[in-house]
Amino acid sequence: GAGVSQTPSNKVTEKGKYVELRCDPISGHTALYWYRQSLGQGPEFLIYFQGTGAADDSGLPNDRFFAVRPEGSVSTLKIQRTERGDSAVYLCASSLSPGLAGADGGTQYFGPGTRLLVL
Amino acid sequence: AQSVTQLGSHVSVSEGALVLLRCNYSSSVPPYLFWYVQYPNQGLQLLLKYTTGATLVKGINGFEAEFKKSETSFHLTKPSAHMSDAAEYFCAVSDQPGGYQKVTFGTGTKLQVIP
Repeated sequence: GAGVSQTPSNKVTEKGKYVELRCDPISGHTALYWYRQSLGQGPEFLIYFQGTGAADDSGLPNDRFFAVRPEGSVSTLKIQRTERGDSAVYLCASSLSPGLAGADGGTQYFGPGTRLLVL
Repeated sequence: AQSVTQLGSHVSVSEGALVLLRCNYSSSVPPYLFWYVQYPNQGLQLLLKYTTGATLVKGINGFEAEFKKSETSFHLTKPSAHMSDAAEYFCAVSDQPGGYQKVTFGTGTKLQVIP
């Protein structure tokens, strides 16, 4: 079946602009995660959704970053007033259940990412 | 707080040789440990995971890892490298603060397989 998809695959923007990054999780997956992967680093947790609500947004670096998941499926990560330091690959993952004890052992399935470049 | 250290950002092995990628973790609670693989232009894929029980965990593509609590290690091995194993490998640790997995990744190790 279809995996996690992310659009756009690449985004180039200018400093100060607003961007939206989209994630389509696997159908039926209730848990959704966003990560940011900077060059030479591993992915860093940004935010976790269970259904429509953001259960943990402790990884968002500042208030320029915001994410929504209004219908419990597609999620959008929004970045205001972009800065050059925001350049990174933004990864989305979904899982059938959030915890390791749940169905599918909570395995997170990752999308290919959106590569954001802020000039 | 939890963290992961991967020793060696780049590892080269000959085709058919043993693959050993090192990972040490730090966690204040019993850890859940993972290895992910990332092929160029593809998403991260779970190779294997340790939750509880048997400390030697087998994953896909012939990889396995052993959880050693005394050494706080979770090294990844494969007896014989194949060209298709060339990729970047990430070790990760998670706890479950609210019944979900909050995963912390290492910085990754790029594996090169030499023909």
